[in-house]
Amino acid sequence: RKEVEQDPGPFNVPEGATVAFNCTYSNSASQSFFWYRQDCRKEPKLLMSVYSSGNEDGRFTAQLNRASQYISLLIRDSKLSDSATYLCVVTGYYMDTGRRALTFGSGTRLQVQP
Amino acid sequence: DTGVSQNPRHKITKRGQNVTFRCDPISEHNRLYWYRQTLGQGPEFLTYFQNEAQLEKSRLLSDRFSAERPKGSFSTLEIQRTEQGDSAMYLCASSKGVAGLTSTDTQYFGPGTRLTVL
Repeated sequence: RKEVEQDPGPFNVPEGATVAFNCTYSNSASQSFFWYRQDCRKEPKLLMSVYSSGNEDGRFTAQLNRASQYISLLIRDSKLSDSATYLCVVTGYYMDTGRRALTFGSGTRLQVQP
Repeated sequence: DTGVSQNPRHKITKRGQNVTFRCDPISEHNRLYWYRQTLGQGPEFLTYFQNEAQLEKSRLLSDRFSAERPKGSFSTLEIQRTEQGDSAMYLCASSKGVAGLTSTDTQYFGPGTRLTVL
């Protein structure tokens, strides 16, 4: 089982639609959670951190459910410029391996159509 | 531009050759990370430096891979005896970390070096 799993998509949605991405992680010791955005042939860029209480940044809302080991990203009123791959990222200090690294999901591709 | 820079941006080499990539992090960042990304996958962690110390290496990092950060500033990643399976995008990221914790760092990525092994 992968440490971080995402639906690869693609999600094809019309402009103005609301779209939600889900992500599950396997290690309960994970401490911090992020969503990154990656445009085609570009580097990943931080979109937002994900907090237990949930957080919102404009049209974007992120939620974390530690009990279910589940993270979500909601995009409202989709724009053409939202077309990209969205990477779920999990990090933490894992006692069994001593790892501190970021672990990325494979990404979910979003295509917003006019 | 004060972001993370990587050189070269593209490298084409023949199987069996050695290649070296360079990463210049954001100047005040003490932590530096190397990742590898293949098509359709998220970046995979390779190794991590805090200042000049290499604190963590992934199992993915075979003996043919070596990374250095001699003065705690720029870093190099060398691949010896390249194989076709090494073809990928090699990403560098940096962060300004709090002592002892990387889990809350925000990492800033460079544009990557795309390696093609023929």
